[in-house]
Amino acid sequence: QKEVEQNSGPLSVPEGAIASLNCTYSDRGSQSFFWYRQYSGKSPELIMSIYSNGDKEDGRFTAQLNKASQYVSLLIRDSQPSDSATYLCAVLANQAGTALIFGKGTTLSVSS
Amino acid sequence: DVKVTQSSRYLVKRTGEKVFLECVQDMDHENMFWYRQDPGLGLRLIYFSYDVKMKEKGDIPEGYSVSREKKERFSLILESASTNQTSMYLCASNGVGEKLFFGSGTQLSVL
Repeated sequence: QKEVEQNSGPLSVPEGAIASLNCTYSDRGSQSFFWYRQYSGKSPELIMSIYSNGDKEDGRFTAQLNKASQYVSLLIRDSQPSDSATYLCAVLANQAGTALIFGKGTTLSVSS
Repeated sequence: DVKVTQSSRYLVKRTGEKVFLECVQDMDHENMFWYRQDPGLGLRLIYFSYDVKMKEKGDIPEGYSVSREKKERFSLILESASTNQTSMYLCASNGVGEKLFFGSGTQLSVL
């Protein structure tokens, strides 16, 4: 069974610090990778997608992908208390290319 | 804005009842999904559909069935609800190659 692994946390960082969230996946053929943010009691929302090896930046967020190591990460610079949430790593898994497999999520807490 | 609407936010049912969870999307998306989310277990895929009347099993289809008679509507059916099906159920949809949009979820309690 294809798996996506994340450290459940909680990951605690002070306001203004860099938060680093990590994810590994088992299916070497996976091509598309996503980071979702989920606030307590809310639905997940997409914050980053990445398809090629290397870094992709969007504002304070940087996604990093290393397919050889089967590793994807999310960096949040200048962390804010409003970034406190659960971050879900997701991988496009099946041959039809439609169903995302999610990790269990990492809970981030940013203290002011 | 894309809207994925789940019929109920909270639902309480009795063991053995047949339960229908409804999901409607308004963006003509081909793909629709049902996930359940449990503390410590994350989001797990139950079923998905990539076209009307088509369905594919996800990782945990046991005890569930689905129906997609119209493109905009995807129903999850619990044939005989059990207490271990108490969970948050999330519907999602997307077009081919597009980002996934989630509904607001249905918290189902089976007593």
